[in-house]
Amino acid sequence: NAGVMQNPRHLVRRRGQEARLRCSPMKGHSHVYWYRQLPEEGLKFMVYLQKENIIDESGMPKERFSAEFPKEGPSILRIQQVVRGDSAAYFCASSPGQVEAFFGQGTRLTVV
Amino acid sequence: KQEVTQIPAALSVPEGENLVLNCSFTDSAIYNLQWFRQDPGKGLTSLLLIQSSQREQTSGRLNASLDKSSGRSTLYIAASQPGDSATYLCVIRDNYGQNFVFGPGTRLSVLP
Repeated sequence: NAGVMQNPRHLVRRRGQEARLRCSPMKGHSHVYWYRQLPEEGLKFMVYLQKENIIDESGMPKERFSAEFPKEGPSILRIQQVVRGDSAAYFCASSPGQVEAFFGQGTRLTVV
Repeated sequence: KQEVTQIPAALSVPEGENLVLNCSFTDSAIYNLQWFRQDPGKGLTSLLLIQSSQREQTSGRLNASLDKSSGRSTLYIAASQPGDSATYLCVIRDNYGQNFVFGPGTRLSVLP
């Protein structure tokens, strides 16, 4: 059973481009969480999804950010028209329910 | 709203020392508490998970305790090694929300 897989590990985008971050949860896990870690800061919650549903997006910026977790395939965090302030490490976690969370290795987004 | 704090923010010790990292939380209605380590530029590695009904968990040189009534958890590291150098994060899953609340972390340096 592979762990939580995130890709790409590193992503460079120019200002104004779109960034798409993928997260494949562990097998059997239907809960996915996205977190952002800005340089020298802690992890901040962004969004919690279950299959085909957004459960809690209270940590998502209102503009430019969206997330989905389709019935088939990975969860996607999409950032439109990226700006330098979006440069951060984005972590995905999965769990089968209200138990232990497993984290991916993160995607490091750099906006140039 | 659950808030998690960790003390100290940073700690530097010589190799071989036993040490204690502290985590405090404001709402005792937790589902579980998890300790992670994060290495610079890397993802999060789960160390120990304590369910709300448990008092402690042990894994190798690590021991984590939980006192819900006082809103505290401690991570005890015995015979510290340079390889233990990392940031240690305390993460709460509470009974109200579906996401995880992160502490700011303790940055540990073990000097050879």
